[in-house]
Amino acid sequence: SQQGEEDPQALSIQEGENATMNCSYKTSINNLQWYRQNSGRGLVHLILIRSNEREKHSGRLRVTLDTSKKSSSLLITASRAADTASYFCATDAAGGFKTIFGAGTRLFVKA
Amino acid sequence: GAGVSQSPSNKVTEKGKDVELRCDPISGHTALYWYRQSLGQGLEFLIYFQGNSAPDKSGLPSDRFSAERTGGSVSTLTIQRTQQEDSAVYLCASSLMVSSNYGYTFGSGTRLTVV
Repeated sequence: SQQGEEDPQALSIQEGENATMNCSYKTSINNLQWYRQNSGRGLVHLILIRSNEREKHSGRLRVTLDTSKKSSSLLITASRAADTASYFCATDAAGGFKTIFGAGTRLFVKA
Repeated sequence: GAGVSQSPSNKVTEKGKDVELRCDPISGHTALYWYRQSLGQGLEFLIYFQGNSAPDKSGLPSDRFSAERTGGSVSTLTIQRTQQEDSAVYLCASSLMVSSNYGYTFGSGTRLTVV
């Protein structure tokens, strides 16, 4: 089964709105990463948050991590049509190096 | 190179044939990962290499799949006797080290279609 699972599976919003995606995982982790994928090809690394961090910002991105709930959220503020993509969370189980990806959230931002 | 390079970008093969997929990681990156992504799905871990250590092959779906990494750089993923269910995009990623305190850089993938 997947270590990381995102919800919702799909999200459709208007340009300018905020988009929030969630990720849940099962085991203790070293850190959690978020990636974006356009058109089903290569993934682009967005942000990495370590297990001892609770919140991290990068531009319009805000990531939170709650290790007690084994969950993370990715917030994209003031969304743009160019943010339309699939977003994946990825985790390594603590003590391991096998990075496991969730099934992703498909975000569609309408202009 | 500047990024992770994968070749070919697209491959159509007949069922039962063998295929080789190539990945050139970023120079100096010691960790290399292979993933498989079926249409509209998430990434399925296949294998990772870290330096000269034994690779973690735990994600390879069958013994028809194998991978090697020569000289700690270029990697080849080989699928023998391809089946239609092998059709997917095969993604390669490299990282400075296997610990994911470093983000991964992905290639654009090889889209494999088995007919």
